[in-house]
Amino acid sequence: QVQLQESGPGLVKPSETLSLTCAVSGYSISSGYYWGWIRQPPGKGLEWIGSIYHSGSTYYNPSLKSRVTISVDTSKNQFSLKLSSVTAADTAVYYCARLRAMVSYYFDYWGQGTLVTVSS
Amino acid sequence: QSALTQPRSVSGSPGQSVTISCTGTSSDVGGYNYVSWYQQHPGKAPKLMIYDVSKRPSGVPDRFSGSKSGNTASLTISGLQAEDEADYYCCSYAGSYPLFGGGTKLTVL
Repeated sequence: QVQLQESGPGLVKPSETLSLTCAVSGYSISSGYYWGWIRQPPGKGLEWIGSIYHSGSTYYNPSLKSRVTISVDTSKNQFSLKLSSVTAADTAVYYCARLRAMVSYYFDYWGQGTLVTVSS
Repeated sequence: QSALTQPRSVSGSPGQSVTISCTGTSSDVGGYNYVSWYQQHPGKAPKLMIYDVSKRPSGVPDRFSGSKSGNTASLTISGLQAEDEADYYCCSYAGSYPLFGGGTKLTVL
């Protein structure tokens, strides 16, 4: 069974960089698939942040592209998100998920999510 | 890119059927057969219910079905049950990235 688990600070100061890691178990990232980050501000809908292929190719939401970096560490079977220059608008539950993007296109496995609050 | 358009809320009584719409453009919903639907209960992660417009993952009841016509996709839930009360999100491939709908709150009366 594929499982994903987000980890990282729950509180980040404005203008600093948000850093999260998603540990994957039950599947080797290097075997394939895309891996993505999605966020959900309190009481609002889902917003795709970006995705990365196991080879390292990345795709970012155009509205966040200038501030986002997603990387993968196949040796640790995990991938990471960095979002720079955060503001209160970046406060959200951040989810990592596996993206099936060959012939189909959908997120089939999700982490439980982690709340990140941007506040001084 | 703008979010796909979903009704904010729908409701139905147990045993009835409800349909949730998801409207996009020819660049997303209308251009690809890659629409997926997710169910989200409060405080929980989204769960995949439908993919590729009308396919159901293993374990999802056949009460859930999906379809598409032009730029609008639909999720139909038949034989409503209390546990179906949740938020539902559509998602479409939009040419190199996924685009989510704003979400629909389903209330089972």
